[in-house]
Amino acid sequence: DTGVSQDPRHKITKRGQNVTFRCDPISEHNRLYWYRQTLGQGPEFLTYFQNEAQLEKSRLLSDRFSAERPKGSFSTLEIQRTEQGDSAMYLCASRRTLEAFFGQGTRLTVV
Amino acid sequence: KQEVTQIPAALSVPEGENLVLNCSFTDSAIYNLQWFRQDPGKGLTSLLLIQSSQREQTSGRLNASLDKSSGRSTLYIAASQPGDSATYLCAVNEGGSEKLVFGKGTKLTVNP
Repeated sequence: DTGVSQDPRHKITKRGQNVTFRCDPISEHNRLYWYRQTLGQGPEFLTYFQNEAQLEKSRLLSDRFSAERPKGSFSTLEIQRTEQGDSAMYLCASRRTLEAFFGQGTRLTVV
Repeated sequence: KQEVTQIPAALSVPEGENLVLNCSFTDSAIYNLQWFRQDPGKGLTSLLLIQSSQREQTSGRLNASLDKSSGRSTLYIAASQPGDSATYLCAVNEGGSEKLVFGKGTKLTVNP
């Protein structure tokens, strides 16, 4: 597989529950990004990792959100105590040079 | 704060027509600009990347231009096909930041 892989593709959860998403970047891509996209909008930056270090975070990333990238390979994004406003597509991207490559996204629906 | 605007928001054309999608950005201090395609409910597919020192890039029927000083980019699609129907997103990578700032996209429909 030569693309960015995200799991799960879809997640429906009840308000207040915790959810975790996984992203597997393209092999040897040291930079990994998380974005959030709501209907009719462009993706918005959430956070960035270079290898295992989280180097940049958006103010959109509230205290309920946490991201990790242990060992500089795959990454996880956890949302605690989900709210209806968290419903969105969560996109992961990776790159080694200038061009960013995106995964298919995880569609989160909070009911 | 960098803002990216894409005009028009939606465009419908007959098959075979050549078309231009527009993207403008407010801060010209960009590192590069990237055009993406997004099909409904899917992720983003990279189409073209233009570095700040470049004027244009071409891939098949696609040609993207960049005028950094005026804060504009265009994506030209030649001989459009129904399979080109999708939302096209423009994003800029600011100098000094790793993040991409996206426009809201142009939804293109190519009618057979």
